[in-house]
Amino acid sequence: QVHLVQSGAEVKKPGSSVKVSCKASGGTFNNSAISWLRQAPGQGLEWMGGIVPIFGTTSYSQKFQGRVTITADKSTSTAYMELSSLRSEDTAVYYCARDDGHFDYWGQGTLVTVSS
Amino acid sequence: DIVMTQSPDSLAVSLGERATINCKSSQSVLYSSNNKNYLAWYQQKPGQPPKLLIYWASTRESGVPDRFTGSGSGTDFTLTISSLQAEDVAVYYCQQHYITPPTFGGGTKVEIK
Repeated sequence: QVHLVQSGAEVKKPGSSVKVSCKASGGTFNNSAISWLRQAPGQGLEWMGGIVPIFGTTSYSQKFQGRVTITADKSTSTAYMELSSLRSEDTAVYYCARDDGHFDYWGQGTLVTVSS
Repeated sequence: DIVMTQSPDSLAVSLGERATINCKSSQSVLYSSNNKNYLAWYQQKPGQPPKLLIYWASTRESGVPDRFTGSGSGTDFTLTISSLQAEDVAVYYCQQHYITPPTFGGGTKVEIK
């Protein structure tokens, strides 16, 4: 049983960056793919990108290309998502999820609020 | 990107009655070499992350009640809740993973009539 635990809520200023972590336990972190998705208030789900930790290979949505960086630390089974040049529209709950094509395990979500 | 369109946006169903949610993809998500539809369904309750219900269009995730059934192929898919229970009140999303980026439908809110 894979368990994903994310870091806590963040409040950021416009133009700054945020880095959210996702620690995995109970499964084979290195052999899985981890994706990051977000959900703006009252809105649907949006895929941002993902990583395969064992290879370090990443894939990003064109929408976020250049603003998002996804990394993984195999030694701690932790994935990270950093989003830069934040604007108010980036206010959302950010999720990590194990990516088997479909997303079968999810973190609890991290609320990122961008406000001046 | 593949556009996923769900209908209706919301529906209200009496307890014990059937709920039907539709999902249409802008192109086929059927991979001919393995005859699998790269289509999943999720349930999301307020304040919670989505929960995987169905993958490969019709395979129920472990632990999901058998009142949830996925069907369809190619571009047209359906999620059916055969006998709505109070705990099924939620927003339901379809998702394709045939092509990167994976994309989601806009969601269907299911309520009790």
